[in-house]
Amino acid sequence: GAVVSQHPSWVICKSGTSVKIECRSLDFQATTMFWYRQFPKQSLMLMATSNEGSKATYEQGVEKDKFLINHASLTLSTLTVTSAHPEDSSFYICSASATGAYNSPLHFGNGTRLTVT
Amino acid sequence: GESVGLHLPTLSVQEGDNSIINCAYSNSASDYFIWYKQESGKGPQFIIDIRSNMDKRQGQRVTVLLNKTVKHLSLQIAATQPGDSAVYFCAENIGSNYQLIWGAGTKLIIKP
Repeated sequence: GAVVSQHPSWVICKSGTSVKIECRSLDFQATTMFWYRQFPKQSLMLMATSNEGSKATYEQGVEKDKFLINHASLTLSTLTVTSAHPEDSSFYICSASATGAYNSPLHFGNGTRLTVT
Repeated sequence: GESVGLHLPTLSVQEGDNSIINCAYSNSASDYFIWYKQESGKGPQFIIDIRSNMDKRQGQRVTVLLNKTVKHLSLQIAATQPGDSAVYFCAENIGSNYQLIWGAGTKLIIKP
């Protein structure tokens, strides 16, 4: 149980275009999902917290107009990288809690490798 | 600032031996700790967790030890197998939200 599915697993796009990444909780409902970014050989960096039915909360330094987050249902959150540039190339990972309790593990999707050419 | 750090960026272990991955944390108020395994090109996979009211917790071939006196967390993997090759992250939770503070990661390499 507690499966988080992320799609696509990889995407290549041209500079200036937008890319949408989907994160789904397959067997549980998640009022809150999290979006992370990870550079090679580095740890995860929290970008934003996605809240179902309300606005996302962005971490300091993350441009909310560039990284649009929509959490339209209890099982789906999307991250749209708008007007992507090569510096946006990275590994994006979403996660969610199956229990809603802070002292329970987050479950992660398998990430999306974004390459902007 | 607050941080969770690791002592060793890379750990090489002989197949069949036990592995010990260490993690230091700085916030004495942290009350929940998690170990994740991340294989290349994949998302982190939950291994084991421990709450601050415990010193030790065991899973299948894994044990997490928590020493609150010195703010130290460790992950022990028994009889290390080739499939254990990955980067291991410790993370701590501060407060009553989902914010996790992540360690830098330790790459575990299994020698045949």
